[in-house]
This record gives sequence, structure tokens and C-alpha cells, in this order.
Amino acid sequence: AQKVTQAQTEISVVEKEDVTLDCVYETRDTTYYLFWYKQPPSGELVFLIRRNSFDEQNEISGRYSWNFQKSTSSFNFTITASQVVDSAVYFCALSYSGGSNYKLTFGKGTLLTVNP
Amino acid sequence: DAGITQSPRHKVTETGTPVTLRCHQTENHRYMYWYRQDPGHGLRLIHYSYGVKDTDKGEVSDGYSVSRSKTEDFLLTLESATSSQTSVYFCAIAPGQGAYEQYFGPGTRLTVT
Repeated sequence: AQKVTQAQTEISVVEKEDVTLDCVYETRDTTYYLFWYKQPPSGELVFLIRRNSFDEQNEISGRYSWNFQKSTSSFNFTITASQVVDSAVYFCALSYSGGSNYKLTFGKGTLLTVNP
Repeated sequence: DAGITQSPRHKVTETGTPVTLRCHQTENHRYMYWYRQDPGHGLRLIHYSYGVKDTDKGEVSDGYSVSRSKTEDFLLTLESATSSQTSVYFCAIAPGQGAYEQYFGPGTRLTVT
């Protein structure tokens, strides 16, 4: 079964703290893709990053970094020096081959609140 | 931003009535998706399309049907709306599948009374 687990339902931090959002996935596929999306209070869904199963390099983009570890089936997301504008729901998602077409399954999301 | 719109953006309807939501794209992407978002459930795939007149079911397809007669439009129909279908519905598009990220529309908030 394909599954994404985001065990942290809600996280609250104070501005400038670092915060890590956890994502654990399950799949039998050897080729799969992982994504992070952000949903700010305005409600739109914004793509942040994609990682394929063959690329375990960590990635850094400004204050954001992602740690992909196949050994633990995890794709964690860290925000360094958090800001109030980072407050949002963050979704981790897994793209897997469901027959002849790929499907995307989402975790339930983590609500991050950054307080000033 | 990807050219994707949804209509209506808000709708209140009564139990038992049919409802159609529209997703329109200007990107000429092949793949289109309908999701619903509910508290505690994240986003769940209802139906998707991999080409004109080519559609398939997602994980929560019961009570929903879709149609795609043109590349740019993907319609979601609630055949007889129920209160359990009160939700926020998102359409997404992608130029390919698997490695391709999906771009989401602004969402439609549907309330079934």
C-alpha cells in the first residue's frame, strides 16, 4: 500500500526558531517521486520541491532544506530561522505507479504556526 | 502561475440536487485531477483524466462522475449531493505524470445543506 504519514498534526514555534516537518512514506515501487506543497491561510496550494527515488542528495533553497533518506523512508523538511510568513499547512506527497498511470497520495498535513 | 481556474468558487446546494464543478486550464496540459480536502484527511483524489475522454477513478470516487470533452475543461459532477460531500474541491493539472508536479487551482468551497 502507498501511504504518507505526517505524524505532526500541529507545530507552533517562535519566529527565528528552526523547525523540521517530518514525512514518512510507504511504497513497494522502486521508482517513485516525493513532493512538498505549502498551503498558506489564503488556501492555495503551492509546489515547493520534488525528489525522485534515485536522488538522495539533500537540497537547500534559501531558508528551506530537505533531507531524503531511503533507508528510513523519510523526506523531512526543515525551515531555518522561521518567519511569520512561513505559517501554513505543509503537505508531503508520494507519486507512485497505480497501474498504467501515476497517482499522487498526500499526507494529512502539518499546520505550522510561527508566532512573532 | 499556471493558468487554471475553477468555477464556481463557492456554492451552497441542497441535499439530493446535482452539482457540476468546472476546471478550466489554458496550459494545454494532458493530465487533470480532482481532489477533495477535508479536515484531518489532507487531499484525496476523486477522479483524474489522462486525455480527452480518458478518465479513471481515484480513492474516493463514489457519488462523483467526471467528463472531459476538451483538453482545457474537466468537469466534476455530484450526481445527488449529500452532506458528506461538503468539502473544498481542488482541481490540478500536470504536463506529465510521475515526476511532474501538479499545479492546483484556487479551489471551490461546496456546502451541501
